[in-house]
Amino acid sequence: AQSVTQLGSHVSVSEGALVLLRCNYSSSVPPYLFWYVQYPNQGLQLLLKYTSAATLVKGINGFEAEFKKSETSFHLTKPSAHMSDAAEYFCAVSENFGNEKLTFGTGTRLTIIP
Amino acid sequence: DSGVTQTPKHLITATGQRVTLRCSPRSGDLSVYWYQQSLDQGLQFLIQYYNGEERAKGNILERFSAQQFPDLHSELNLSSLELGDSALYFCASSVGGANIQYFGAGTRLSVL
Repeated sequence: AQSVTQLGSHVSVSEGALVLLRCNYSSSVPPYLFWYVQYPNQGLQLLLKYTSAATLVKGINGFEAEFKKSETSFHLTKPSAHMSDAAEYFCAVSENFGNEKLTFGTGTRLTIIP
Repeated sequence: DSGVTQTPKHLITATGQRVTLRCSPRSGDLSVYWYQQSLDQGLQFLIQYYNGEERAKGNILERFSAQQFPDLHSELNLSSLELGDSALYFCASSVGGANIQYFGAGTRLSVL
């Protein structure tokens, strides 16, 4: 069965500092990995997706994530935090045909300190 | 705007009642997924339909049911509602496979 672990339910960083949100996954087959962002009172918006084409994936709003098979990790980073990045971030895994559902981590709430 | 439309945005009802949540997928998307987001359980997959047929089931209660109609819109029916059913219910759509799922803004259900 697939699963996702997000370390740190709350992360605070200063504006302009590096953002690092951690995600580890478990999957019995090569996974598809996603990062979604949820702003208050809104739905989930896709930041980026890993599909095995490249281990470093660039997403929207300056975010990127690196797939490391040996560490079963897919951490999300952004070099310089902006106030508008304050939101909840979810890592998710899916497999493929026959098991397309997204299994989400518990989420990380990112706070930006001015 | 994801292109996925969910109605209503908010729903307040009483225990024991039945409600229907509606989802219109993005144009061209054949797959519809329903998820529940609650403080206790986080984001949980409920059920998936693909071109009118049920494709996968998650932790969906027997009191809950869904269907996808010929025009591809989907409805999630929740009956005999309990306080614990209060949550945000999301619909997502995709073309199928492990492609990107686009999420609607959700329906916030409050059971009083």
